[in-house]
Amino acid sequence: NAGVMQNPRHLVRRRGQEARLRCSPVKGHSHVYWYRQLPEEGLKFMVYLQKENIIDESGMPKERFSAEFPKEGPSILRIQQVVRGDSAAYFCASSLKTVQENTEAFFGQGTRLTVV
Amino acid sequence: KQEVTQIPAALSVPEGENLVLNCSFTDSAIYNLQWFRQDPGKGLTSLLLIQSSQREQTSGRLNASLDKSSGRSTLYIAASQPGDSATYLCAVKDSSGTYKYIFGTGTRLKVLA
Repeated sequence: NAGVMQNPRHLVRRRGQEARLRCSPVKGHSHVYWYRQLPEEGLKFMVYLQKENIIDESGMPKERFSAEFPKEGPSILRIQQVVRGDSAAYFCASSLKTVQENTEAFFGQGTRLTVV
Repeated sequence: KQEVTQIPAALSVPEGENLVLNCSFTDSAIYNLQWFRQDPGKGLTSLLLIQSSQREQTSGRLNASLDKSSGRSTLYIAASQPGDSATYLCAVKDSSGTYKYIFGTGTRLKVLA
């Protein structure tokens, strides 16, 4: 019973390249959240997705960033034309149901993106 | 807009002490509150989940309380150990919007041997 799996764990990209971060939620979970953590800072919400739908992308920059959670396969966070300021740890979380108070969020180990 | 604050930002205590970490939130419309632990360069480990209808939860040496009306939660760690050294994060599941989790800024705890 694997938890949330993120890959790669570490990713190095040159400025201007694309970064693709993958998140496989806990088996059976249909809700996925992406967060960004800058060094020495807390986790900032980026986007919340259900299968094939973006529910809330209020925390995601309007340009260069996109996210998807297809019917089959992992959720993908895509960053185009990366800049040094995109360097951060990106965490994915999943949960089973959303509108219940006993729903627990499970987090992955994160992908640490370094832009050089 | 929900905002979550944690005090203190950093804490250093000798081994064996009991300690309290604080978390406050501005909007009491929450589904639940979770406490997490994060080790340097690592992911988040869930410690305790308190439902909005609950007052507290306990796991081993950890006890978390929730006072929704005043917008506060505390994490109590009994008999602290060096292995407890980590950053502790609280997160509320917002029920007034799209049910996303909103995190506090964290408390960096160091337990000295």
